[in-house]
Amino acid sequence: GQNIDQPTEMTATEGAIVQINCTYQTSGFNGLFWYQQHAGEAPTFLSYNVLDGLEEKGRFSSFLSRSKGYSYLLLKELQMKDSASYLCAVREMGSWGKLQFGAGTQVVVTP
Amino acid sequence: DAGVIQSPRHEVTEMGQEVTLRCKPISGHDYLFWYRQTMMRGLELLIYFNNNVPIDDSGMPEDRFSAKMPNASFSTLKIQPSEPRDSAVYFCASRKTGQAEKLFFGSGTQLSVL
Repeated sequence: GQNIDQPTEMTATEGAIVQINCTYQTSGFNGLFWYQQHAGEAPTFLSYNVLDGLEEKGRFSSFLSRSKGYSYLLLKELQMKDSASYLCAVREMGSWGKLQFGAGTQVVVTP
Repeated sequence: DAGVIQSPRHEVTEMGQEVTLRCKPISGHDYLFWYRQTMMRGLELLIYFNNNVPIDDSGMPEDRFSAKMPNASFSTLKIQPSEPRDSAVYFCASRKTGQAEKLFFGSGTQLSVL
């Protein structure tokens, strides 16, 4: 199984940059995902990394280092609507697509 | 396109009653997942299906929980008898093999067991 760790909460100012770290331990890594969840809503997909490196998608970027068991989600030019919980999730080899989620990082964007 | 549809959105019941949650996955998706989310435990995978067949139910808390998928467009999660500690948001999610590796979640069912 996996052990997924991410900070509980982060606060940043509108227009700033925030980096959410995620570390994991797994017996056979097969992909790392980031989801965004606004309060009272369902999680929505943000990014997917299976190879080392940086994936950029607009204001959001996700980085993966498989050797270190480490990923981060970078949110740039923060907007108030980015206030949400950000969930790191890991898929294992042979798990037929099953995702295990971290506890989530609550990002609070202040004016 | 319609997303994953769950019903009911909210369910309030008394301890000991049977609860049935329903899910309609996105048409053409071959995987269906049931998750439970609480403040204490976060998002937990309960069970998932591939082509209507249960693949892994190791996350189902106990025998009071059961899930079925009689066809590709419908799944149920049943709790009988329900207990207060079952209170949570239950999410259904689906995805399609080979298509962007991402889960699509339904809006969830907020279950309160009194």
